This record gives sequence, structure tokens and C-alpha cells, in this order.
Amino acid sequence: QITLKESGPTLVKPTQTLTLTCTFSGFSLSTSGVGVAWIRQPPGKALEWLALIYWDDDKRYSPSLKSRLTITKDTSKNQVVLTMTNVDPVDTATYYCVHILGKSGAFDIWGQGTMVTVSS
Amino acid sequence: DIRMTQSPSTLSASVGDRVSITCRASQSISSWLAWYQQKPGKAPKLLIYKASSLESGVPSRFSGSGSGTEFTLTISSLQPDDFATYYCHQYNSYWTFGQGTKVEIK
Repeated sequence: QITLKESGPTLVKPTQTLTLTCTFSGFSLSTSGVGVAWIRQPPGKALEWLALIYWDDDKRYSPSLKSRLTITKDTSKNQVVLTMTNVDPVDTATYYCVHILGKSGAFDIWGQGTMVTVSS
Repeated sequence: DIRMTQSPSTLSASVGDRVSITCRASQSISSWLAWYQQKPGKAPKLLIYKASSLESGVPSRFSGSGSGTEFTLTISSLQPDDFATYYCHQYNSYWTFGQGTKVEIK
């Protein structure tokens, strides 16, 4: 059974760096075809894809946020980490980590999400 | 960026109704489209992938169709558990979502 769980701060001040960790089980990020993505959802709004990392360390970023995002993986710990620099109140959202199978796959299994508020 | 536009934004329906949600892509995405269901306070759940393939465990009253730029999610007989928000999602070029369609009780 595949599960993913997000962790990180619930409150961050503007201009700070946000670091979120996805800890997963039931699969390995060293297995061919596997990937993990980060997706966010501001309160009452739609979903927005942020970043994705594949088993082969191929990394993709949202063009509009690319300069602020870094995604990394630690295969031995079954973790994926997303950092977002220079946060702003508009970054207030629920952040989800999501499993994807294949470079032409849909987001099939989602974590429960973690709410992050950006406020001074 | 490929933009995804869903219609309607809100849909009022009754239990037993047949309902359809449309999703249009700003350029062709072949069949690289998925549909998700989201309930308040919960993560989205994958219903349909590759435009018309039903995810394992999803009831057969859900179906998807379309290709290119126009897609449809149909619920053949709406059940109480189906009142939720639905999102389309393209994964042909990067990954983008529609703005969502809320299915509410009439």
C-alpha cells in the first residue's frame, strides 16, 4: 500500500524560506518509472502543480515558480524535500505530495496535505 | 502553458441525475487528461486517466471521453457520495488543472 505524508511548518513569515518534506512508503524512488510531485491549493481555489522529481533524478518545475523552487530526493530515507524561497502571503495554501507512475502518468496517490500560512 | 477551462463552474443536480462536466484545453493534449474528485478538507482522488480509463476501485457510473482539446466527465446516476468538486488535469506538457466544477445538491 502506497502512502505519502507531508510535514513542515504551519506558519512562515514573508521573505523566509519554506521547507516541506514528503515521507512515503510502499514504493521506492529508485524504481524505474516512479516520481513524486508537489501540488498546492490556496484556500477555496484550484490546484497548482509546483515541482516533480523522477527516479532518475529528472526534475521539473512550474515555469512561473522555477526561480524559487528546489526539489530533492533522499532514496535511503524515502523522502522528497521541496524548498520555496522568498515566500509571500499568496503562497498560503495546502501543499500535497503526490505519487506518479511513469513519465506519462497521472497523479494517482495523494498525501493528506499540509496547510502552510504565510503571515507576519 | 496549456490552459484548462471547465464548465460549468457549479452544477446543481439531484440524486439519480445524469451529469456531465466539460473540460477544454487551450491546445491539443491528445488523451493525456485525468479527472479528480475532491471533497472538503480532503485530498483529490483520481477517477479517470488517459481521458477514458477508469482508475481501479472507482464506480462504473463514472466515465470519461474526448481527445484533442475537448473532454467530458459523465456520472450516469448521481449518488449522495458524488457531491464534491471535480477537476480536470492535463499531463501532455507539464501539468495543469482546470478551475474545478462543484456538484451540489439541487
